[in-house]
Amino acid sequence: QITLKESGPTLVKPTQTLTLTCTFSGFSLTTTGVGVGWIRQPPGKALEWLALIFWDDDKRYSPSLKSRLTITKDTSKNQVVLTMTNMDPVDTATYFCAHKTTFSSASFDPWGQGTLVTVSS
Amino acid sequence: QSVLTQPPSASGTPGQRVTLSCSGSSSSIGGNTVSWYQQLPGTAPKLLIYSNNQRPSGVPDRFSGSKSGTSASLAISGLQSEDEADYYCAAWDDSLNGYVVFGGGTKLTVL
Repeated sequence: QITLKESGPTLVKPTQTLTLTCTFSGFSLTTTGVGVGWIRQPPGKALEWLALIFWDDDKRYSPSLKSRLTITKDTSKNQVVLTMTNMDPVDTATYFCAHKTTFSSASFDPWGQGTLVTVSS
Repeated sequence: QSVLTQPPSASGTPGQRVTLSCSGSSSSIGGNTVSWYQQLPGTAPKLLIYSNNQRPSGVPDRFSGSKSGTSASLAISGLQSEDEADYYCAAWDDSLNGYVVFGGGTKLTVL
């Protein structure tokens, strides 16, 4: 059974850097085709894909947020970390991590429960 | 940066068949497979369809997907009250070094 869980601060101040950790079990990020992605959802709004890291350490980012995002993995700890710099109130959202299946690069299953991050001074 | 276009809302009555649409471009849907997600209120999204028309185990066969050119569709037959949710399409986009793009979502109401 694959499970993922996001952890990190619930409140950050504007201009600060957000660091979120996704801790997973039930799969290995060394298995060919596997990846972990981050997706966020502002309250009442649509899903927005942020970043994806593949088993071979290939990394892809949302073009509109690329300059602010860094995704890394620690295969020994079964963790993926996302950092987002220069946080702004518009970045208030629930942040999800998800297991990318081997079927396609836009196929995420399952997802973590999500963690709500509020950006406010 | 491209996005996938979905109608913001749709509705149907119990037992009816409804079809949700998702429009993309040649670099997204036109050249890659489409996934669909169901998000019930207050929960994380759930994968409903992958590779255009494949259902993960456990997803009822009332849900079916299709793709033609730069558009995709999700059909729900025998509509049930528990199908009331937000539905999102997603695809890989080959431009700008490659990235994932989601649609804006369709809120399905069961009348």
